[in-house]
Amino acid sequence: DIQMTQSPSSLPASLGDRVTITCRASQDIGNYLRWFQQKPGKSPRLMIYGATNLAAGVPSRFSGSRSGSDYSLTISSLESEDMADYYCLQSKESPFTFGSGTKLEIK
Amino acid sequence: EVQLMETGGGLVQPGKSLKLTCATSGFTFSTAWMNWVRQSPEKGLEWIARIKPKSTNYATEYAESVKGRFTISRDDSKSSIYLQMNSLKEEDTATYYCTGNYFDYWGQGVMVTVSS
Repeated sequence: DIQMTQSPSSLPASLGDRVTITCRASQDIGNYLRWFQQKPGKSPRLMIYGATNLAAGVPSRFSGSRSGSDYSLTISSLESEDMADYYCLQSKESPFTFGSGTKLEIK
Repeated sequence: EVQLMETGGGLVQPGKSLKLTCATSGFTFSTAWMNWVRQSPEKGLEWIARIKPKSTNYATEYAESVKGRFTISRDDSKSSIYLQMNSLKEEDTATYYCTGNYFDYWGQGVMVTVSS
């Protein structure tokens, strides 16, 4: 199975900060990488697909990138509504696997 | 507007069965690849099953943790998918989500608690 190692597990940050969350894939997944945002009591929301493509309705301060087997989600200037949990997902092959999550919280 | 709604959750004893339903609207269901994903504090988000469209003869895939116990199915005439869960274990306790169009659309989730 493909393992997705996500870091950090917790990320205290201030409003206006630039923040980056990373997932490392244990095998080649190409660009079959999605990022989700989840707020308390809500279902996950697709933010990024194909590693770098912004999903519909997602603010442009969010971006995705890839460097080898490392995939990153960056928020260029943190806003209060961005405080949430974030997860990566590899959809290259079954079993599809999620990262363990990053809790983004106000410092 | 895309909508997915899961129903059928609840409290069930270990070894018993439960069937979840996900009713959808707002997208082309008949060609959509549909999944069930569950979430628990212990395991986080876990993909458990997928069903492909009629063009693939409704091919299915399962996570090892549920293979042989859970069955995913779909009814294109009702734009719905189902998850038949048999021989339930306490570790199946989770919020269950259906997702559509690969993982682009998500329902609100339904809670399943397996406990004696």
